[in-house]
Amino acid sequence: SQQGEEDPQALSIQEGENATMNCSYKTSINNLQWYRQNSGRGLVHLILIRSNEREKHSGRLRVTLDTSKKSSSLLITASRAADTASYFCATVGDDMRFGAGTRLTVKP
Amino acid sequence: DAGVIQSPRHEVTEMGQEVTLRCKPISGHDYLFWYRQTMMRGLELLIYFNNNVPIDDSGMPEDRFSAKMPNASFSTLKIQPSEPRDSAVYFCASSMAVDTQYFGPGTRLTVL
Repeated sequence: SQQGEEDPQALSIQEGENATMNCSYKTSINNLQWYRQNSGRGLVHLILIRSNEREKHSGRLRVTLDTSKKSSSLLITASRAADTASYFCATVGDDMRFGAGTRLTVKP
Repeated sequence: DAGVIQSPRHEVTEMGQEVTLRCKPISGHDYLFWYRQTMMRGLELLIYFNNNVPIDDSGMPEDRFSAKMPNASFSTLKIQPSEPRDSAVYFCASSMAVDTQYFGPGTRLTVL
């Protein structure tokens, strides 16, 4: 069963623009992770943010976490066509659950 | 490390046949997960193991599905008998804790 819900389900932008994806969840968590999946491939871990952190950066990725609102966002800056993929959030509490994902298309 | 290894990468079979999917986790990882992904249902956790012991199999859809982990370096997911609605991509993932998971490339199963 899924816990995280990503929003939007699909996002299409031009190369160079920023992409923002959101994730909401329902139960308490220890950490939240974002994964990327290219078509036909397995998921690849991008970044992890712990429940006591509010913001984290990794290259062009910026993740925020608001535990009071039970939500997280993933920002990809200066997007590239190669960023086209599906992005999933995963919450880790007593177990680990993945959301339904956001399908990002970056047009060259 | 070669990462998580799954075989076969593609499987096409006829309804009623037995299907066995295989997974070799990353050495040293104590947790192994089996997922199923479809367009309709997204990514579903089927079962996961800790130190070769099944911990949560609540996601296994029905008795036709079974999973084993006879040792720390090998796991199987078996479907018997297979049905067309079992067509999906099946992923295996491993981790050192219930935390960052490393996914295999998946097995694309088509049941005709």
